[in-house]
Amino acid sequence: ELRLLESGGGLVQPGGSLRLSCAASGFIFSNYAMTWVRQAPGKGLEWVSAISGSGATTYYADSVEGRFTISRDNPQNTLHLQMNSLSGEDTAVYYCAKAQGPGPYYYNGMDVWGQGTTVTVSS
Amino acid sequence: QSALTQPASVSGSPGQSITISCSGTNDDIGDYKYVSWYQQHPGKAPKLMIYEVSNRPSGVSDRFSGSKSGNTASLTISGLQAEDEADYFCSSYTSKNTPSYVFGTGTTVSVL
Repeated sequence: ELRLLESGGGLVQPGGSLRLSCAASGFIFSNYAMTWVRQAPGKGLEWVSAISGSGATTYYADSVEGRFTISRDNPQNTLHLQMNSLSGEDTAVYYCAKAQGPGPYYYNGMDVWGQGTTVTVSS
Repeated sequence: QSALTQPASVSGSPGQSITISCSGTNDDIGDYKYVSWYQQHPGKAPKLMIYEVSNRPSGVSDRFSGSKSGNTASLTISGLQAEDEADYFCSSYTSKNTPSYVFGTGTTVSVL
């Protein structure tokens, strides 16, 4: 069974940092690009960041560029998102998702999603 | 990255067909085949329903179909069922400014 399991969410003060992780199983992790998507309470989906299967290429939304860093540990089948300089606008459920097809492209659909981890930025 | 534009809500009776539109620009939907659609039930993770404009992943009902014309993509649900009541989001690759990815504003489908 293909599965993604996020962890690392929690309550953090404005200006603080948090590191999210996503453990993958059931597929050859290194063959697929991976993506982080977030959803603020009561709002729509927002693409956050993506990374190629090898980890050599990363992509970021303008809203997080320079503050967030995506990375992956292929031997450990794990995806990470390091989040710094957090603000209330970063409060959301964060999902990791797998690219629909093998290869370097993250934008051809995301067919496996985790259950999400909640990040709350508040003093 | 500006969100793609979807109607806030669409409704229909069981058995009917409905269509959800997703309006973009030449920088996204108009120029690329990388349009996807996701279904999301309350409190659940999104589910991929359509990828690359009109392709259905394995296991997705053939009542769901996708298309594109110009800068607008569409998702049609045929034979509407109660279980189709959910939020639907379109998405596309975009080359505007930094090449990236953008979601639509979301549409709530109600089955009357």
